[in-house]
Amino acid sequence: EVQLEESGGGLVQPGGSLRLSCAASGFTFSSYSMNWVRQAPGRGLEWVSYISSTSNTIYYADSVKGRFTISRDNAKNSLYLQMNSLRDEDTAVYYCARGSGNSEFDHWGQGSLVTVSS
Amino acid sequence: EIVMTQSPATLSVSPGERATLSCRASQSVSGNLAWYQQKPGQAPRLLIYGASTRAPGIPARFSGSGSGTEFTLTISSQQSEDFAVYYCQQYSNWGFTFGPGTKVDMK
Repeated sequence: EVQLEESGGGLVQPGGSLRLSCAASGFTFSSYSMNWVRQAPGRGLEWVSYISSTSNTIYYADSVKGRFTISRDNAKNSLYLQMNSLRDEDTAVYYCARGSGNSEFDHWGQGSLVTVSS
Repeated sequence: EIVMTQSPATLSVSPGERATLSCRASQSVSGNLAWYQQKPGQAPRLLIYGASTRAPGIPARFSGSGSGTEFTLTISSQQSEDFAVYYCQQYSNWGFTFGPGTKVDMK
């Protein structure tokens, strides 16, 4: 069974940093691209970042470019999101999602809440 | 960036009725369109990809159609467990943009 479990969320002050992790199991992690998607309270879904299976290709949403860094460790079956210079508007539940063959997101974690507030 | 719009924002349906949800892209995404279902407090779930292919385990009452810029998700006979928010998403162009969602609630 495919499982994705996020961790590392919490309360952080504006301008601060946080690192999210996503532990993957039940599939060959190194064969799949991965994504981070976020959802602000009461709002819709926003794609944040993409990383290919080998980390050769990385993309970011304009809203986080230059502040967030996606990475992965295939030996540890883990995906990461380093978030720096956090703003109030970064407050959201952050989901990791597996990219399937055509790039649709076929499995999602349960999410990790990040709250940016003073 | 490709902008996705969905209509209506809210759709009120009685159990057993047909529900039709629309999604429009600001430019052609070919068939690179997915639909997701999200219930309160839960992660999204993939329903349809490639505009019309059901994901594994998704009931046959869910169907998708369309190509280019106009897409439709149809629930042929609404069940109680289908009341949720539905999002479309394009993956044709980097940005992977989602639509704002359609909430399907009980009439």
